Order: sequence, then structure tokens, then C-alpha cells
Amino acid sequence: NAGVTQTPKFQVLKTGQSMTLQCAQDMNHNSMYWYRQDPGMGLRLIYYSASEGTTDKGEVPNGYNVSRLNKREFSLRLESAAPSQTSVYFCASSEVVTGGPNEKLFFGSGTQLSVL
Amino acid sequence: ILNVEQSPQSLHVQEGDSTNFTCSFPSSNFYALHWYRWETAKSPEALFVMTLNGDEKKKGRISATLNTKEGYSYLYIKGSQPEDSATYLCAFKISGGYNKLIFGAGTRLAVHP
Repeated sequence: NAGVTQTPKFQVLKTGQSMTLQCAQDMNHNSMYWYRQDPGMGLRLIYYSASEGTTDKGEVPNGYNVSRLNKREFSLRLESAAPSQTSVYFCASSEVVTGGPNEKLFFGSGTQLSVL
Repeated sequence: ILNVEQSPQSLHVQEGDSTNFTCSFPSSNFYALHWYRWETAKSPEALFVMTLNGDEKKKGRISATLNTKEGYSYLYIKGSQPEDSATYLCAFKISGGYNKLIFGAGTRLAVHP
């Protein structure tokens, strides 16, 4: 019953360092997403992958890259971390076969990232 | 710019009180409205997905209503318990927006014994 698994749970980086956040789901979902959560704001979509082999920009993609490695895994990479990327990052997945309105998201437990 | 507003930002109630909060969203291009419950140090979990004007959904002591014509949804909790303490997020899905959801900032509920 793992659902959506994210690693790491916590990370501290120095400005300019790079890192990759890993996400995997075991629900055979087609679509996967990366969100960031900042205080006082709603979850904002960074990138999403509608299906294996495709990725698209969301609302706040600058400074990030993604890879949909296979149907299970969707990683988020920060090439040169900046203090503005300090945030809580959530990976999510959904079945989205028809793109209908009932496709709820299943979330990972989040990664708290601090960039000094 | 599409905006989803939730009010109040935070709420403190006593155990046994009933409470409600609001999600406001654009009334045009409506496709779906999601409610999620996010407990501290856990993953957000879906409570309801609502699609039709006048929809009313219920899960135990929690219920939600939807008015797509005026662009709002209410979440009600009857007889709040300490375990209801969480942040409640609503998210609006526009038509043609694939599965991209626009989230509100949430209402943080604290239920005191």
C-alpha cells in the first residue's frame, strides 16, 4: 500500500548546488505531477506528465527540469538551486484515462527543501 | 488570472462545535471542484470531487455543497473532533485544462478538546 513515494523528505542545499527529487507510484497511474507549496499560497504546479514519455510545463516551471523515466517514476531536478526555491515539494499522480472531472490526485508525503 | 479563494485562512473551534468554510472560484469554464484534507506531516488526501451545480457530497461528519453559477463551495464539519484538525484545500479544474488543478491557499482548522 505504498501509493506515491517521494525521496528525500528533507534536504538543505547551498545556492548553486543541484539535486534531484525522486517520485514513484505503484498505482499504475498514467499522469504524474510536481507541485510546490509556499506559505499563504495554494499548491502551484511546476511540471506534469500526462502519460509515459510526455512532460509539460505547469504554472511555475522556471529553474526546474523533469524526467518521466517510466510509468512509475517522475523526477524533478534543480540544476542550480536558488533561495527562491525553498519550499515544500509534492509529487502526485492520477489515473486520468479519459481526462474526466473525477480524477482526484494522490499525493506523496512531501520534500521540505531549504536553499541557503 | 484564475484565482481560488478560501476563507477563513484559519479557524479555531471547540470539540463538538460545527463549522463551515468557503471556497470561491471563477464561475466560467467550470469543470470540477476538488476538496482535499491535509494533516500536518502527512500527504493531502482527496475528500470530494464535485462536478454538477447543486452537488452535495457527504463523508461521515463532513459534507460539501457546490454552486457553479455563483462560483462557491462550502465545506461543513458537524460536531468537530480533534482529529479533524487539518488544512482543508479546495482546487478548481477548468474545462480544457487537462487535469491541471488550481489550488486555494487552504483553511487551517484547529479543534481544541
